[in-house]
Amino acid sequence: DAGVIQSPRHEVTEMGQEVTLRCKPISGHNSLFWYRQTMMRGLELLIYFNNNVPIDDSGMPEDRFSAKMPNASFSTLKIQPSEPRDSAVYFCASTLANPNSPLHFGNGTRLTVT
Amino acid sequence: KQEVTQIPAALSVPEGENLVLNCSFTDSAIYNLQWFRQDPGKGLTSLLLIQSSQREQTSGRLNASLDKSSGRSTLYIAASQPGDSATYLCAVLYSSASKIIFGSGTRLSIRP
Repeated sequence: DAGVIQSPRHEVTEMGQEVTLRCKPISGHNSLFWYRQTMMRGLELLIYFNNNVPIDDSGMPEDRFSAKMPNASFSTLKIQPSEPRDSAVYFCASTLANPNSPLHFGNGTRLTVT
Repeated sequence: KQEVTQIPAALSVPEGENLVLNCSFTDSAIYNLQWFRQDPGKGLTSLLLIQSSQREQTSGRLNASLDKSSGRSTLYIAASQPGDSATYLCAVLYSSASKIIFGSGTRLSIRP
């Protein structure tokens, strides 16, 4: 099992540009989570999906953020337009939607917006 | 508000000591609690998962306990080693919202 795969590992962009982060969950997992981690705020849940359907997006900070899951094996998190305060590490995680299943994380995408 | 708190934020102990990390949560209606380890520049690795009906879980030198009534969990690390140095986070899956909420973590340093 390759685990949760995120791309790119690092992204440096200028303010105002569009950024797209990608995630491939573990095959068979039906819940997918997007988190953002910063020194100041720790690990924040942005949005999560069950069976490709967004369940709770209350953590998405602004309308500039959007997430999609067109199928069970792929999800994107898009920021448009990006701002310097969006700089953080963005993690994707997946699990089976049952209480016995642990959460598996990708290695994250480190985003720097200048 | 459903929160998860970890104290202390940082801990440094000499190699060989046994130690306990603490996690507290505000709502006892949970499905499970997980402990994770995060190394610098890496993602989180799941260490132990305790289901709501369980009191503890063990894996090697790690033992995690759960007391729902008091809203507390501990992670016990026996015979600590420098390789245990990392940030340890606990996360709670709350029943009401099906959200996994993380604490801010304890940064552990084991001195050789």
